Amino acid sequence: QQQVKQSPQSLIVQKGGISIINCAYENTAFDYFPWYQQFPGKGPALLIAIRPDVSEKKEGRFTISFNKSAKQFSLHIMDSQPGDSATYFCAASRAGYSTLTFGKGTMLLVSP
Amino acid sequence: EAGVAQSPRYKIIEKRQSVAFWCNPISGHATLYWYQQILGQGPKLLIQFQNNGVVDDSQLPKDRFSAERLKGVDSTLKIQPAKLEDSAVYLCASSLGQGASGANVLTFGAGSRLTVL
Repeated sequence: QQQVKQSPQSLIVQKGGISIINCAYENTAFDYFPWYQQFPGKGPALLIAIRPDVSEKKEGRFTISFNKSAKQFSLHIMDSQPGDSATYFCAASRAGYSTLTFGKGTMLLVSP
Repeated sequence: EAGVAQSPRYKIIEKRQSVAFWCNPISGHATLYWYQQILGQGPKLLIQFQNNGVVDDSQLPKDRFSAERLKGVDSTLKIQPAKLEDSAVYLCASSLGQGASGANVLTFGAGSRLTVL
């Protein structure tokens, strides 16, 4: 049972464009939604995270949009740069628990 | 702050052989996780420790996988005997203890890549 569904599987964006990655979840007990960034040969690293009490969170060029009623959240990367080329994972955890359930990942390529 | 250390980085073994991976978490992090990442997929939790106690091992194939965290610091994950489908990257992560502020923030190591032939 896949509790966090992520799309698209891969994405190619031109430099300066907007990258958008979407995730949907099923478990209404989830209350923490992070995005992790992973470069080849490295472990995932926390990029940005949101809780359901807000609909949007922005940190620099990265924004999470959260729709509680639709059980969906998305990552927007503004002014995408070649250095953003990586695999992005959405994840979720339940209240009171630190265990993360990950999506399958999106491989982003930003072309120069 | 030193990160999560893992070794070895790479390991190639024949099926039915055994292998062990080691992890040293960030100092002061009470919670330690082992995740399995198969190529093209997201990390999947194998086992979670809080100090030296097991919190969740529901997805650990206990007939072949074992893990321990003696003294609540370092941890070892063992596979015996290995199968072809165990080929994956084994990621160790750590976080502050359950209930602590920032407990959800996991810091991952670079992983140990296992190839089973």
